[in-house]
Amino acid sequence: AQTVTQSQPEMSVQEAETVTLSCTYDTSENNYYLFWYKQPPSRQMILVIRQEAYKQQNATENRFSVNFQKAAKSFSLKISDSQLGDTAMYFCAFGGSNYKLTFGKGTLLTVNP
Amino acid sequence: GAGVSQSPSNKVTEKGKDVELRCDPISGHTALYWYRQSLGQGLEFLIYFQGNSAPDKSGLPSDRFSAERTGGSVSTLTIQRTQQEDSAVYLCASSVVTGETQYFGPGTRLTVL
Repeated sequence: AQTVTQSQPEMSVQEAETVTLSCTYDTSENNYYLFWYKQPPSRQMILVIRQEAYKQQNATENRFSVNFQKAAKSFSLKISDSQLGDTAMYFCAFGGSNYKLTFGKGTLLTVNP
Repeated sequence: GAGVSQSPSNKVTEKGKDVELRCDPISGHTALYWYRQSLGQGLEFLIYFQGNSAPDKSGLPSDRFSAERTGGSVSTLTIQRTQQEDSAVYLCASSVVTGETQYFGPGTRLTVL
C-alpha cells in the first residue's frame, strides 16, 4: 500500500516571499502520478500541479513548481511570490495503478500581509 | 464547461436516518470517485466508478454505505441508518478516464446529530 507523508502541519510565509512544502511517499510502483491540491476555506479541492513519475523534468505552473526526486521518493512544492489568496490547506497526493488517490494529512499554509 | 457539482452543500440529519448525496461529474468524464474527509481520518477513498460499474468498493466503511451511477453520469452515495461517526465532508471527483487527473467538487458536509 502507498503512504504519503507531509511532515509540516502548518507553515506561514510573508506576502511576496517563497515557501516550500514537503512531501514524501512510499510505493513499490514504477509508474505513477503525484499531485498537489489546494483546499481553501471554501472546501473546494483545486488541482495545483501534477507530475508524471516517468518524466525527469520538474513540473511548473506559473508561480508553482515542484522538486521531484524519484529515488528519494520526495515531491516538494515551491510557491514563489506568495499571495494572500494562496492561504489554504495543501495536500500532496499519490495516484498509482489502483486509480484511487492516497493523500497526505495536509499542510496549512498562511500567507501574511 | 461546468465543473463537478454536488448536492446538497450541507446536510444535517438525525442518527438512524438515511441520507443520499449526489454528484454530477464533468460532462464526458467516464470515471467518478467518492472520498470522505474527516478530522480524525484525513481524506479516505470510498469507491470509484468506471462508467456505471464499480470495480473498487474497498473503501466503503460498512454495509450501510452504497453507491450507484446511472447513465454514466450522475452518482448517488447512500448512507443508511446514519451514525455520528459518519459526520464528515463527502467529496466527489471525476476524470476523463481512470488514472487521469481527478477534478473535485465542492463537497457535501454531513452532520449527524
